[in-house]
Amino acid sequence: DAGVTQSPTHLIKTRGQQVTLRCSPISGHKSVSWYQQVLGQGPQFIFQYYEKEERGRGNFPDRFSARQFPNYSSELNVNALLLGDSALYLCASSFKAVGNTGELFFGEGSRLTVL
Amino acid sequence: AQTVTQSQPEMSVQEAETVTLSCTYDTSESDYYLFWYKQPPSRQMILVIRQEAYKQQNATENRFSVNFQKAAKSFSLKISDSQLGDAAMYFCAYRSVQGTYKYIFGTGTRLKVLA
Repeated sequence: DAGVTQSPTHLIKTRGQQVTLRCSPISGHKSVSWYQQVLGQGPQFIFQYYEKEERGRGNFPDRFSARQFPNYSSELNVNALLLGDSALYLCASSFKAVGNTGELFFGEGSRLTVL
Repeated sequence: AQTVTQSQPEMSVQEAETVTLSCTYDTSESDYYLFWYKQPPSRQMILVIRQEAYKQQNATENRFSVNFQKAAKSFSLKISDSQLGDAAMYFCAYRSVQGTYKYIFGTGTRLKVLA
């Protein structure tokens, strides 16, 4: 079975532009989470979606938004890009959103460079 | 708020030797999960081992084992018989039992394996 897939793998944008990152979860997984990993740091939680509803949001500005589609895939949008948005954006899927079971399965990430 | 601290930015180990990576965390919760994730240069985060806080027995997965000290809020990873393929960034992570699957990661430890 395919793992978590993300696209694009690499992209370069300029300040002020907008970017959309895409994620397809593992088949059967209904929850998708997004993390930002700045170079030299650990991943930081941005969003979690489950059954197309936002279930959690990290400490990120409103320039960051996301959505989940009926097929459980997800998009992360970032508007008005800043240099500080340059990072690896990781998508992770899980079967559930809450509870005592399950683990996160990560994709390989989308490397965003803002010039 | 919960925090995770990894105080060793980089560690080296000779092939076939044993190495221990340190992690401390802070929480007021009594039940939670702790994880060690490995991130090789391919960027994909891979689960190494997980520990449920209510279990006193330390988790083991083949060459990987943890030393979980709940009172001290310490969660170290021991890698035995180190192999060249173990070279990667290792992240310690915390997740509450209640609520969504929001992981809190440490800043990571880069492990180098010397032939």
